[in-house]
Formats: sequence, C-alpha cells, structure tokens
Amino acid sequence: NAGVTQTPKFRILKIGQSMTLQCAQDMNHNYMYWYRQDPGMGLKLIYYSVGAGITDKGEVPNGYNVSRSTTEDFPLRLELAAPSQTSVYFCASSPAGGHSRPQHFGDGTRLSIL
Amino acid sequence: KNEVEQSPQNLTAQEGEFITINCSYSVGISALHWLQQHPGGGIVSLFMLSSGKKKHGRLIATINIQEKHSSLHITASHPRDSAVYICAVSRETSGSRLTFGEGTQLTVNP
Repeated sequence: NAGVTQTPKFRILKIGQSMTLQCAQDMNHNYMYWYRQDPGMGLKLIYYSVGAGITDKGEVPNGYNVSRSTTEDFPLRLELAAPSQTSVYFCASSPAGGHSRPQHFGDGTRLSIL
Repeated sequence: KNEVEQSPQNLTAQEGEFITINCSYSVGISALHWLQQHPGGGIVSLFMLSSGKKKHGRLIATINIQEKHSSLHITASHPRDSAVYICAVSRETSGSRLTFGEGTQLTVNP
C-alpha cells in the first residue's frame, strides 16, 4: 500500500528559485491538504482541496500555489523561494466527510532555502 | 493563546511507566485527533474521537467535551513509544481542516 507519496524527500533551493513539491495518493480520497511544520510549532495548513478542480487557502498560503487536476495528485508550487519557506512540508489526504475521518500523511519533504 | 494547547511539551519516562499527555482546546469541535510523529518524521493517526474513550493496544484516548479537554494515556510504556504526540481538532466551522497543537516530545528510557 503506497498511501500518500511525497517527492522529493529533501531539497535545497537558492533564494528566488522555484520548485514543485509532488504529492500523490492511491486511496481515492477526495480531500487533500498541504501543511508546513516549523521547529517547535504545530503544523499549519497551507492549502487544501475537497476534490478535483477545487482548491482553497489555509492559514499560511502566501508564497505558494496549488492545483488539483486529478483526484490522485495535489502538487504544491513555490514560485520565488524565500528563507522563511524553509520548513518540513507534509501532504495528507482523507475520504469525503473528512471532518469525521482520519487524515493519512505522507513522509514529508524537508526543504531548505539558502 | 493557541486554540489547541498541549502539556507537557517534553516528557521523559522510564520503561514501564504510565504516561499521560493532555490537550485543551478553546473552540467548538466536531472531532479531536491524536497523531504520532516518529523520529524519522512520518505522521500517523492514532485516534479520532468526539466523545468518551477509545482504546488501541496500550494506548487510551479520552475526551471531555464539556471541559474541552482530552488525554492520551500510554500504559506499560516502552522505548519504541518515544515520539512526538500531536493533538489536533476539527473545528465545527472548518469542516475537515485541522488545527494542531505544538506536540509533546516523549522519550521513554530503558
């Protein structure tokens, strides 16, 4: 069972570069989420999606973009990387009716902006 | 003040001890989640509950909706229980989105 797969696991970017963090799930979940986790802080929601073609902002969306063209994939785009975006990024998914269903997490992407 | 507060932030125990981690929240919720983050970074869901008590192996989660408080208990703790334990809530007004506590770092020594 693959579950939620995130790539890459690690990445170092220079300030101003762009990149896409990939997230794919094979559980046919409607809901998908992107979080960032900073040291000593709780996870913060960046963007989420309740189905293909539908995305919405979370708590900390600035500097990021997402798309959801298929049920399986939910990529996160950083357009102009900044040091404040150094963090660990987690993608998660849950079935529809998500407020009453557990979320399944990927293993995370550790991103450093230098 | 965070909407979800956990205590303690750090906890060190000896193998075999009974462990309690607390979570208080200040908003109306539809469900409360307990998650475990392994030393390697992966996050897994342990429990989701909206009332009462749930048990899985040596782990027990309880919630008191009136007091806006939940506890995670680990019986007969073992070094493999060493991890960060995270409390999160699904707010009544936020659908499936979760609001997270900062986590409790648990270390169980042999």
